[in-house]
Amino acid sequence: DQQVKQNSPSLSVQEGRISILNCDYTNSMFDYFLWYKKYPAEGPTFLISISSIKDKNEDGRFTVFLNKSAKHLSLHIVPSQPGDSAVYFCAASSGTYKYIFGTGTRLKVLA
Amino acid sequence: ETGVTQTPRHLVMGMTNKKSLKCEQHLGHNAMYWYKQSAKKPLELMFVYNFKEQTENNSVPSRFSPECPNSSHLFLHLHTLQPEDSALYLCASSQDSGGGQPQHFGDGTRLSIL
Repeated sequence: DQQVKQNSPSLSVQEGRISILNCDYTNSMFDYFLWYKKYPAEGPTFLISISSIKDKNEDGRFTVFLNKSAKHLSLHIVPSQPGDSAVYFCAASSGTYKYIFGTGTRLKVLA
Repeated sequence: ETGVTQTPRHLVMGMTNKKSLKCEQHLGHNAMYWYKQSAKKPLELMFVYNFKEQTENNSVPSRFSPECPNSSHLFLHLHTLQPEDSALYLCASSQDSGGGQPQHFGDGTRLSIL
């Protein structure tokens, strides 16, 4: 049973618009969440994190929102750029090094 | 020098071969990890080392044998692999194996078993 789900395998967005990537989880014990970006033939690159004591964390064009009651996490990228085209993974843990990863969403930003 | 370096990037081997994957991190971290990523599946944690001591073996078959000679280097020794072991093997590191911190990944070794 997948504890972390990314239900959209792919997403296309026009350059300059907002990209919203979603992630749902089932384990209420998860207290730390990460987003990674992965280009082809490269390893995942850490983007942004959020702990369960917050509901929002922002870093430049990237903002992560956490809705604990809905067990839902989202990553907003604004404005989207063609270089943002990649696969995005969310991951969650409950106070340990054991991260549970989603299967990823492929984002394509159209010029 | 990139943070986490994995070699080789690609490896093709027969089921009776013995080979090793190498990982080196230049981040001063104390925890290192091996993950497996199969097609269409999430990353699966295989092994964890913290300060050179193995702290996790996630029910990995004995045909995979990890080695961590120091906090900067991690190896995965392979022997008598099966076709279903074909996957991307990723190494990662973090400051230590405590929670609440990101793990930094290498670019992986794409392994194909003939």
